[in-house]
Amino acid sequence: EPEVTQTPSHQVTQMGQEVILRCVPISNHLYFYWYRQILGQKVEFLVSFYNNEISEKSEIFDDQFSVERPDGSNFTLKIRSTKLEDSAMYFCASSRGTGNRDEKLFFGSGTQLSVL
Amino acid sequence: AQTVTQSQPEMSVQEAETVTLSCTYDTSESDYYLFWYKQPPSRQMILVIRQEAYKQQNATENRFSVNFQKAAKSFSLKISDSQLGDAAMYFCAYRSSFGNEKLTFGTGTRLTIIP
Repeated sequence: EPEVTQTPSHQVTQMGQEVILRCVPISNHLYFYWYRQILGQKVEFLVSFYNNEISEKSEIFDDQFSVERPDGSNFTLKIRSTKLEDSAMYFCASSRGTGNRDEKLFFGSGTQLSVL
Repeated sequence: AQTVTQSQPEMSVQEAETVTLSCTYDTSESDYYLFWYKQPPSRQMILVIRQEAYKQQNATENRFSVNFQKAAKSFSLKISDSQLGDAAMYFCAYRSSFGNEKLTFGTGTRLTIIP
């Protein structure tokens, strides 16, 4: 089965530093997402991306966050100036976006971000 | 906005027995999807089962089945013949039938399997 790939699996950064989390969605998918999960808490939606623009974002996704599809395969999440509370597992996901009833969301294996 | 509630932070079950995990949700929509995801210690999100709200028949996937009560807005997961590999966090999730595939998750239930 095709997979969503995330790199790196773990990232450690200093508070105030910029960090970029990378994802390669499934090749024929059109919708891309970022979710995060603070340790011990539920998975929370951050942002969805379609047709080279943000289609929806949560209140967590403030000006410190940005997303980009720099080429035909990668989808990135940038945090400009990391805070301690940004420490979390970040999941990338993608879907075909056909609108069919059997549409399915595919998750990557996550990037654990630790802000020191 | 939709909300998903899992009222059991932790559950345990003897190996080979059956366990039911509870989930309730709140929505004003009539057509939507519900999911159960499994998150093992590796923290990968694995889809266990999905239910379409317009289908009255409860979904089943091998040892996993759901009890979907639309009027009560309840969506429980039953795991039969529990195995050690079933130990994980289980998240209930809601998705609207409109727009994209954005999911709203519950807070999760940690399932322990007792050998």
